Amino acid sequence: GENVEQHPSTLSVQEGDSAVIKCTYSDSASNYFPWYKQELGKGPQLIIDIRSNVGEKKDQRIAVTLNKTAKHFSLHITETQPEDSAVYFCAASGRGNMLTFGGGTRLMVKP
Amino acid sequence: NAGVTQTPKFQVLKTGQSMTLQCAQDMNHNSMYWYRQDPGMGLRLIYYSASEGTTDKGEVPNGYNVSRLNKREFSLRLESAAPSQTSVYFCASSGQGGQPQHFGDGTRLSIL
Repeated sequence: GENVEQHPSTLSVQEGDSAVIKCTYSDSASNYFPWYKQELGKGPQLIIDIRSNVGEKKDQRIAVTLNKTAKHFSLHITETQPEDSAVYFCAASGRGNMLTFGGGTRLMVKP
Repeated sequence: NAGVTQTPKFQVLKTGQSMTLQCAQDMNHNSMYWYRQDPGMGLRLIYYSASEGTTDKGEVPNGYNVSRLNKREFSLRLESAAPSQTSVYFCASSGQGGQPQHFGDGTRLSIL
């Protein structure tokens, strides 16, 4: 089955700096890659996603890049703010819309 | 717009007790999912229901059963709770054709 590795497990940045979280996946048939943000005591919330026919997608301060050949994808957050502090999860999906999640990254943005 | 609603939010059980976790969605989604979240391990799929009337095992189904009661509701049952099932349980739903999954806020379950 699919295996998703996520790095780093924790990331601390100064407010205004950029943050990058990277994920690799194992199943070349995977074609959908969402990113979720989870705040304390809440469920994961979708923040951006990308499909395998696209190499990059942006939404304001958030962008995701996908390299299908290398089987990795990354989340980029620019101009970080304290409210960006949360746990971020990547996931990959192939057959049947089943998601396999990475282990999560705890992002801390220091004011 | 409630989205995905899970009940209860918290529960403490003793080893061997049974428990049903409830999940309901109001987005008219066909597919529903149950995950467990443990520290450092992301979310792992327990069971899913691709459509009303069908259920299938995910990555970690042992010790659990599910029921897709109707299109809106998907319940998860622990018949004989074990300490290893202490976790946070999330329900999610999605539309057809590879649509994104939407999550509830979880049930925090402790088994003593």
